[in-house]
Amino acid sequence: NAGVMQNPRHLVRRRGQEARLRCSPMKGHSHVYWYRQLPEEGLKFMVYLQKENIIDESGMPKERFSAEFPKEGPSILRIQQVVRGDSAAYFCASSPGTSGNVEQYFGPGTRLTVT
Amino acid sequence: GNSVTQMEGPVTLSEEAFLTINCTYTATGYPSLFWYVQYPGEGLQLLLKATKADDKGSNKGFEATYRKETTSFHLEKGSVQVSDSAVYFCALSDQGGGSYIPTFGRGTSLIVHP
Repeated sequence: NAGVMQNPRHLVRRRGQEARLRCSPMKGHSHVYWYRQLPEEGLKFMVYLQKENIIDESGMPKERFSAEFPKEGPSILRIQQVVRGDSAAYFCASSPGTSGNVEQYFGPGTRLTVT
Repeated sequence: GNSVTQMEGPVTLSEEAFLTINCTYTATGYPSLFWYVQYPGEGLQLLLKATKADDKGSNKGFEATYRKETTSFHLEKGSVQVSDSAVYFCALSDQGGGSYIPTFGRGTSLIVHP
């Protein structure tokens, strides 16, 4: 039973390029969350999606960042015109529902480095 | 709003020492509480959880008790191993508060020396 998959695991981009991060949730899970983790800091929530819908994007920067979770295929976090401050680990998590006692299952993360 | 406060790290222990990592929370509803562990270079993994007051979650020798009266969920282990070195995150999920977004603490780094 495959877990949450993220790719690429490591991504290097020059300033101004686009970064595209992919997340395939666990089988049967229809809820996806994206988080950002900076060195020596905790997890920062970015966006919560269900299939074809953005439910909560209160943690997403207003510009350059977007996310989608199409009917078919993985969830995508897109960062346009990357800057050095975007360098971080980005984690995706999935869950089967929104019940309060349901845990999240995390992927291994994508480590983005902007040069 | 909801919040989770963890003791700051790093916590440095010798092998076989007793571990406590403190976690307190505030929540508007009746949350479920979780401990996640993150090993170097990996994502978070669920370590244990408790869904109501006085429940005790346990796994791999770790345990934590949901204390509603003190709004705490402290993580304990009687005898740590070098392989327990990791970052530990306390979290709550409180759908009754109207939010589907879990709230995580900042994480506590544990370093266990041989």
